[in-house]
Amino acid sequence: DIQMTQSPSSVSASVGDGVTITCRASQYISTWLAWYQQKPGKAPKLLIYEASTLQGGVPSRFRGSGSGTDFTLTISSLQPEDFASYFCQQAHTFPITFGQGTRLEI
Amino acid sequence: QVQLQESGPGLVQPSQTLSLTCTVSGGSISSGSYFWSWIRRPAGRGLEWIGRIFISGDTNYNPSLRSRVTISVDTSKNQFSLKLNSVTAADTAIYYCARETVVAAGFDYWGQGTLVAVSS
Repeated sequence: DIQMTQSPSSVSASVGDGVTITCRASQYISTWLAWYQQKPGKAPKLLIYEASTLQGGVPSRFRGSGSGTDFTLTISSLQPEDFASYFCQQAHTFPITFGQGTRLEI
Repeated sequence: QVQLQESGPGLVQPSQTLSLTCTVSGGSISSGSYFWSWIRRPAGRGLEWIGRIFISGDTNYNPSLRSRVTISVDTSKNQFSLKLNSVTAADTAIYYCARETVVAAGFDYWGQGTLVAVSS
């Protein structure tokens, strides 16, 4: 299976800050990577697919980049509603696998 | 607006079969543009993809669960289902159903999730 390793596992920031989360795949996955946001008790929300394409309705302060094995999710100018958990997912090779998640805390 | 909703027992006895159904509203499950997946999150662990089905009936399963999993679709009810047999405590998790677009990576719609505990 392709292992998806996220870092950091948690990060603290303030409203207005920028933050970057990284995701590393154990094998080449081209740009078959998605990023999600999840809040407690809620379903995950797709933010970015194909590594850098913003899902409809997602604010432009979310940006994804990378290809191959190294990927980043950057959130600029954090808003109060952005404090949540984030995780990556690869869809290049079966089985589909997910990162362990990054908790973004105030 | 597409919505997915999981339903099924919240408690299953060890060695029995876990059965869940996902009801899709706001869109047709018969669309050829999507896969329909089951994903779970065991307590304190990351997400685990269980498998998916296409409207043709074609399925893909996680090799770690393949011997115990069946995913099926009922187009007349706009539902798809999960059966996981011979369950143990390790199968205790929040189970999600989700929709994945065929042409792009990413699950764009998810159910709220349902907690299934395996216990006697």
